[in-house]
Amino acid sequence: DTAVSQTPKYLVTQMGNDKSIKCEQNLGHDTMYWYKQDSKKFLKIMFSYNNKELIINETVPNRFSPKSPDKAHLNLHINSLELGDSAVYFCASSQDSGPYGYTFGSGTRLTVV
Amino acid sequence: SQQGEEDPQALSIQEGENATMNCSYKTSINNLQWYRQNSGRGLVHLILIRSNEREKHSGRLRVTLDTSKKSSSLLITASRAADTASYFCATDRWTGNQFYFGTGTSLTVIP
Repeated sequence: DTAVSQTPKYLVTQMGNDKSIKCEQNLGHDTMYWYKQDSKKFLKIMFSYNNKELIINETVPNRFSPKSPDKAHLNLHINSLELGDSAVYFCASSQDSGPYGYTFGSGTRLTVV
Repeated sequence: SQQGEEDPQALSIQEGENATMNCSYKTSINNLQWYRQNSGRGLVHLILIRSNEREKHSGRLRVTLDTSKKSSSLLITASRAADTASYFCATDRWTGNQFYFGTGTSLTVIP
């Protein structure tokens, strides 16, 4: 009955590879997000997406692309991975009309070697 | 750029004491939220306070908001060892519903 689930939980890969992280929410929320948390615990928003628009943080490299097959899923695809991409990536969702905040997944720890 | 900044960066207290964390932000907001993150886990939403509210309570949590000073505080009363975690404030900008997080306050409650 997990609300926001991400897979995989851990991902170790070599530089230059392409990888995807999957996210699914069963809350019926309108909007989904991807955040990156670095080693200093700073959380940076990367994308927000609902069925109307994709909002991209302008500092996110275009090697990162969100893909949403439907309202309940927002996957993150990363091309040509770099060492600096190592971080924990969190998926989250929210209901636009409600004051309930975000529901976060448990994170994917990406390590690029 | 980073929207919220928490202060202090780290806080260590004895069980039973109160813990106060502060958050300052830079631009006008609609809402401010506080989250908790246990080590190795995702963030858990604690409380949301709107820009027209000054104080909000939830159990042992008390949040205040001063929009004139662009600051908020989170008070945890009668702390417990289980409160040990990082606490983040998150603010939205008046134009949208994206929330921007600070770097958090790491709270350690010593049993």
